Amino acid sequence: AQKITQTQPGMFVQEKEAVTLDCTYDTSDQSYGLFWYKQPSSGEMIFLIYQGSYDEQNATEGRYSLNFQKARKSANLVISASQLGDSAMYFCAMRPTDSWGKLQFGAGTQVVVTP
Amino acid sequence: DTAVSQTPKYLVTQMGNDKSIKCEQNLGHDTMYWYKQDSKKFLKIMFSYNNKELIINETVPNRFSPKSPDKAHLNLHINSLELGDSAVYFCASSQDKEREVNEQFFGPGTRLTVL
Repeated sequence: AQKITQTQPGMFVQEKEAVTLDCTYDTSDQSYGLFWYKQPSSGEMIFLIYQGSYDEQNATEGRYSLNFQKARKSANLVISASQLGDSAMYFCAMRPTDSWGKLQFGAGTQVVVTP
Repeated sequence: DTAVSQTPKYLVTQMGNDKSIKCEQNLGHDTMYWYKQDSKKFLKIMFSYNNKELIINETVPNRFSPKSPDKAHLNLHINSLELGDSAVYFCASSQDKEREVNEQFFGPGTRLTVL
């Protein structure tokens, strides 16, 4: 069974600083996809970034990058140059590629960006 | 031009009632999902359909019955509502295939409150 762990329930970050959100996962699957989603206070779930387990390069999307360390089973999200609008809950998720795997989510990290 | 839409956005009802939540996607995706987000923000998959066929059915009380009239729609019917059913229910869709993982696009959520 898969397990996604986000050890930081909440964190404060100053505007314009970078922040790293931790995510570790436990799976016996060889092939899987890793995702990060953002949920602002308005409630919608916004897809941010995706990393495939066989991708050799770390994924980047604008100010978001995924620090993927396969051997450590870690998929940390780095947000550079934080903005006030980045204040939200951030979820790490994983889905195995084999068969119809379920997308499993971590418990989330609440980020508050301060001026 | 909404990608994944859900109705209603809010649903307040009495225990014991039966209610439905509707979901539609105009992204041309083959796969649709229902998730439940509890009061602690934990997101858990409930069901998934691919081309109108049920492919994931988590351990969910049989009071919950999904129905997919076509691949653009996935509705959720809940019988005999209980207090513990109070949550936010998200519909999502993706181009996921059996051995191919893609990002899931979420609807705005339906906040169900059972009194």
